[in-house]
Amino acid sequence: EVQLVESGGGLVQPGGSLRLSCAASGFAVSSNFMTWVRQAPGKGLEWVSLIYSHSTTYYADSVRGRFSISRDNSKNTVYLQMDSLRIEDSAVYYCAREPAAASAYYFDHWGQGTLVTVSS
Amino acid sequence: DIQMTQSPSSLSASVGDRVTITCRASQNINNYLNWYQQKPGKAPKLLIYAASSLHSGVPSTFSGSGSGTDFTLTISSLQPEDFATYYCQQSYSAPRTFGPGTKVEIK
Repeated sequence: EVQLVESGGGLVQPGGSLRLSCAASGFAVSSNFMTWVRQAPGKGLEWVSLIYSHSTTYYADSVRGRFSISRDNSKNTVYLQMDSLRIEDSAVYYCAREPAAASAYYFDHWGQGTLVTVSS
Repeated sequence: DIQMTQSPSSLSASVGDRVTITCRASQNINNYLNWYQQKPGKAPKLLIYAASSLHSGVPSTFSGSGSGTDFTLTISSLQPEDFATYYCQQSYSAPRTFGPGTKVEIK
């Protein structure tokens, strides 16, 4: 069974850092595309970052230069390192799988989300 | 970056109604268009991928159509469990982008 479990959220001051983790089971993160999506309270979904199976990464303009996505194949886990955090980064952060072997690209499995609150 | 718009932003409907939500991309995305359903406090769920393919386990009351820049999600007969917010998302290129969402409420 495919499962994604996020962790690492919490309360942090503006300018601080957090590292989110997304532990996967039931499939290999190295063979799939993995994405982070966030949702601010009462707002819509915002795509944040993507790591391809061949390790190329992409970022939303709003986080480029501050956030970094990576993965540890031995732990089957994807990470989102978030530095220079701003109040507007407060959101629930979801990780999602985009199956690389599919003929189309879509997020077929999502984690339950982890809440990040940036506040002084 | 590809921008996605949706209309309406919200709608009120009754159980059994036929509901249509539209999504427009700022440039041609072929059929790289997906639809998700989200209920309060829950992660989104995939409904439709590649514009018109029904994801496993999704009721056949949901259907999608369109290609290029204009797409539609249709719920043929609204059920009580369908009251939620619906998002379109393009997967033609990175950055992946979502539409702003359409909230379907009970009339």
